[in-house]
Amino acid sequence: GQNIDQPTEMTATEGAIVQINCTYQTSGFNGLFWYQQHAGEAPTFLSYNVLDGLEEKGRFSSFLSRSKGYSYLLLKELQMKDSASYLCAALDSNYQLIWGAGTKLIIKP
Amino acid sequence: DADVTQTPRNRITKTGKRIMLECSQTKGHDRMYWYRQDPGLGLRLIYYSFDVKDINKGEISDGYSVSRQAQAKFSLSLESAIPNQTALYFCATSAGQGSSPLHFGNGTRLTVT
Repeated sequence: GQNIDQPTEMTATEGAIVQINCTYQTSGFNGLFWYQQHAGEAPTFLSYNVLDGLEEKGRFSSFLSRSKGYSYLLLKELQMKDSASYLCAALDSNYQLIWGAGTKLIIKP
Repeated sequence: DADVTQTPRNRITKTGKRIMLECSQTKGHDRMYWYRQDPGLGLRLIYYSFDVKDINKGEISDGYSVSRQAQAKFSLSLESAIPNQTALYFCATSAGQGSSPLHFGNGTRLTVT
C-alpha cells in the first residue's frame, strides 16, 4: 500500500533549527510537497521537490532523496509564528496526492 | 478577498439531515477538490473535478455527492448526515499540472449530532 510517515509532534526553541522528516512509499513518484497549517486554518504551500537535493527558500529548506524515499523540511531561526503543523504529501504515478498525518511543531521561548 | 471561499465556515446539523457545503474560487483554476481532515489522519480526498464535465470519486466518496456548477463553483453534499462525517472539510483548487500546488479554502467545520 501507499504510505507517508512523519513524526506526530516535535518541540523546538525559538531561534534554533529544526528538521522534520518524512518517509514515503508510493506506487511511482512524481514529487513531494510540504504544506504549513496553523491550527484551525487552511494548509498553505511551502515547497515542491521532484529532483534529489536541497531547495532553499529563505528560512525554510526542503530536501529529497528519491532512492531512499525520504524528505525533510528544515526550518532555521525559528520564530513563534512557525508553531504549526507541517504536512508532507507525495504524488504517485497517477498524480494522486498521498498525505501524511502531519507533524505538529511547538516552539518554546 | 480570499481566492477560494467556502461557506458556511461552521455548521452543526442533526443525523439524517441533508447539507450542502459550497466552494467558489477566483483563481481561474480548472481543477477543484474536496478533502476532509480528521485529527491524527492525513487529508483524505472525497471528490475531484478537472473541469465542469469531469467528476471523479476520491478515496472516501461514500455518503457524499458533488456538483460542479461552473468552473468557479464546486459544491459538496451530504445526503443524509451521520456523526462520523463530523470533520473539517476543505475545498482546494490547482492549475492544470499534477505538480501544481493546491490552494485551499478556509475550511468548513461540520458537526453532526
